[in-house]
Amino acid sequence: SQELEQSPQSLIVQEGKNLTINCTSSKTLYGLYWYKQKYGEGLIFLMMLQKGGEEKSHEKITAKLDEKKQQSSLHITASQPSHAGIYLCGADTSGNTPLVFGKGTRLSVIA
Amino acid sequence: ETGVTQSPTHLIKTRGQQVTLRCSSQSGHNTVSWYQQALGQGPQFIFQYYREEENGRGNFPPRFSGLQFPNYSSELNVNALELDDSALYLCASSYGRGYTFGSGTRLTVV
Repeated sequence: SQELEQSPQSLIVQEGKNLTINCTSSKTLYGLYWYKQKYGEGLIFLMMLQKGGEEKSHEKITAKLDEKKQQSSLHITASQPSHAGIYLCGADTSGNTPLVFGKGTRLSVIA
Repeated sequence: ETGVTQSPTHLIKTRGQQVTLRCSSQSGHNTVSWYQQALGQGPQFIFQYYREEENGRGNFPPRFSGLQFPNYSSELNVNALELDDSALYLCASSYGRGYTFGSGTRLTVV
């Protein structure tokens, strides 16, 4: 079965700094999803990547999927307190299959 | 369009009891999935329903069961609750590959 490993497990950054979160899959990814979760709440969809080498951006968040489709990174530029939360990567093995998730990266942004 | 709504938001049950959690899917979504998220962990897949039939199940015992209704809303039932069932239960509806998650139900078993 597919497993996703996220690193780091937690991250504390000063407001305004850049940061990167990684997600590594045990198998070739069909689709890779990034979600953000506030503590104890639901998942907010950020981006979905499917093609090797694909890169997507939304506001100050950029996600990339490497050419071999086994690793993705999420980069936040000039972090703000509103970026704090848990970032989860999820993957599916084909269309309409359930998502497998990593354990998440807890991000704290301090002033 | 409406999003995914889950009820109740919080619930406290006693070990051995039964619980039903509810999920209203996003309009147009014909597939619903349920996930269990323990504290500090990522969501774990419980099962998935497509057009009222279960079409996928994770590593959860039979005391976890579900239903999907003609309007694509769904229920998750858990019998004989155990302390380890305490978690955030998330529902996600989808059509194809777009997954929309609800805010979850926080279940505490005491």
